Amino acid sequence: DAKTTQPNSMESNEEEPVHLPCNHSTISGTDYIHWYRQLPSQGPEYVIHGLTSNVNNRMASLAIAEDRKSSTLILHRATLRDAAVYYCILRDDRDYKLSFGAGTTVTVRA
Amino acid sequence: GAVVSQHPSRVICKSGTSVKIECRSLDFQATTMFWYRQFPKKSLMLMATSNEGSKATYEQGVEKDKFLINHASLTLSTLTVTSAHPEDSSFYICSAREFSSYNEQFFGPGTRLTVL
Repeated sequence: DAKTTQPNSMESNEEEPVHLPCNHSTISGTDYIHWYRQLPSQGPEYVIHGLTSNVNNRMASLAIAEDRKSSTLILHRATLRDAAVYYCILRDDRDYKLSFGAGTTVTVRA
Repeated sequence: GAVVSQHPSRVICKSGTSVKIECRSLDFQATTMFWYRQFPKKSLMLMATSNEGSKATYEQGVEKDKFLINHASLTLSTLTVTSAHPEDSSFYICSAREFSSYNEQFFGPGTRLTVL
């Protein structure tokens, strides 16, 4: 499986943007970039996914580098409810399995 | 969004007993369900993939006789931890994929298993 690298932790102030980087230098042409987040003591929650183009949804934006070797999840205005572990995952287009790495723990200060 | 439930949310059992955990898709049909295990402060580890009506596919290192998975209907999958021991204590999480949902998996809230 292709691997991703994320910072262990990031801190943000409430109502400020959060930029979460993810490196995936060994990404293949059939890999989709997925982001999930996990709040304490809960199952993960889908955030966003993309292949080549930048993507926006109600939760976040995903900016994908032109060479696809890195991506950035953007939370536009962090709230206390956004405090979670954020996972950047590469999913092969040929199957549906998700391989979770260590993720980035996001802390939001009031 | 689609909802996945798990039952029970917490279970405490004695060593040597078997425990069954249910995973249900409440408002959609799940052609594929996945089972994960998560130890404290660690990431999720995929245990197995199950497709409705088929035998589960287990990840390397996961004992299929220890962790019995049944996916008898499009809305229900069960994980049975047989002859549980303290090292099986963990957070077990299922996820489900709807046939028409190509990219998104919906996760259950998890089941906390403690084996005494």
